Amino acid sequence: GEDVEQSLFLSVREGDSSVINCTYTDSSSTYLYWYKQEPGAGLQLLTYIFSNMDMKQDQRLTVLLNKRDKHLSLRIADTQTGDSAIYFCAAMNSGYSTLTFGKGTMLLVSP
Amino acid sequence: DADVTQTPRNRITKTGKRIMLECSQTKGHDRMYWYRQDPGLGLRLIYYSFDVKDINKGEISDGYSVSRQAQAKFSLSLESAIPNQTALYFCATSDHSGGELFFGEGSRLTVL
Repeated sequence: GEDVEQSLFLSVREGDSSVINCTYTDSSSTYLYWYKQEPGAGLQLLTYIFSNMDMKQDQRLTVLLNKRDKHLSLRIADTQTGDSAIYFCAAMNSGYSTLTFGKGTMLLVSP
Repeated sequence: DADVTQTPRNRITKTGKRIMLECSQTKGHDRMYWYRQDPGLGLRLIYYSFDVKDINKGEISDGYSVSRQAQAKFSLSLESAIPNQTALYFCATSDHSGGELFFGEGSRLTVL
């Protein structure tokens, strides 16, 4: 089955850019997603990219997809303390129509 | 009011007890899911349902069962709870595309 991997922790200073990386194994994954989980809450969809796209930009968020290497990244420009959260990468399982999540990257933004 | 509501939000129980976690939604979605979250392990899919008469096992269904009582309700049962089922459980819904999941606020279960 699909395996989604991401680093577990990232620490940045306020105002810097943050880059969270993710790799997946199923080359037939159709959509790839980034979810955000704030403390004490469920996950919320941040953004997604279709597998035939290389890049998607949405305000401070930039998603890059390298389909050959099965590598996805999320860049957050001008990171703020309110961006501190756990970020999950997820891949759509085309065979079962469910999402496989990575273990999550905890982003800590210091003033 | 939340679109996806889970009850109870917190529960402490003992080994061997039967536990039910309930989920209800007002999104009008057909698809519902149960995930568990463990530190360092991310979210893992327990069961999912694409319609009232449809139940499917996820990657970690052993020790769990579910019931889809109506389009809006999906409950998760632990017939005989054990300590390694201590976790944060999330219910989620989606429309037919399945990509954007709407999560409840979670049910924290502790099994002693």
